[in-house]
Amino acid sequence: DAGVTQTPRHEVAEKGQTIILKCEPVSGHNDLFWYRQTKIQGLELLSYFRSKSLMEDGGAFKDRFKAEMLNSSFSTLKIQPTEPKDSAVYLCASSRDRGTGQLYFGEGSKLTVL
Amino acid sequence: GDSVTQTEGLVTLTEGLPVMLNCTYQTIYSNPFLFWYVQHLNESPRLLLKSFTDNKRTEHQGFHATLHKSSSSFHLQKSSAQLSDSALYYCALSDRYNQGKLIFGQGTKLSIKP
Repeated sequence: DAGVTQTPRHEVAEKGQTIILKCEPVSGHNDLFWYRQTKIQGLELLSYFRSKSLMEDGGAFKDRFKAEMLNSSFSTLKIQPTEPKDSAVYLCASSRDRGTGQLYFGEGSKLTVL
Repeated sequence: GDSVTQTEGLVTLTEGLPVMLNCTYQTIYSNPFLFWYVQHLNESPRLLLKSFTDNKRTEHQGFHATLHKSSSSFHLQKSSAQLSDSALYYCALSDRYNQGKLIFGQGTKLSIKP
């Protein structure tokens, strides 16, 4: 099986722009997560879907971050408008429904906002 | 809310010495599930080990950890560090009955010197 696929791997944006990050989970996995990774905060949960339903929308990230799961095999994370503090690695992960609790992470999308 | 605390941001050790990375947690869950994830340079995080059984040692790839609910701790240990253990280590928490959603700590960077 293919792992979690994320695109683009790198993105450079100007402040105020809209960017869309994409994720394809492992086939057959029902849970999908978006995390933001920074050196200071570590891994912060942005959004969590179970069987395409949004279970958590990340609290503090709600106003400019919007994740969607268009079908069971594709998700997007939109950041609008971007700010320099959004510079980070965005990781997508998937897992089987109520399975082992093991997350399979993609390689991440590194975002730099100038 | 639920949280995971890793007190050390960076641990530097000489090869061959024992490793101990601290992890404590706070949760409303009566049956927490604890995890350690490891992330090597330029790779995505992957599961190292996990546990939900109180006072039972769990082991994988030379590392071990014991969940102690009385002290809300899940420290990661290894008897003898290897150069290849240099990586970023994350402790994570979930509800046993909702294992997919993980709350991560800030991460501890382990650097092993020859």
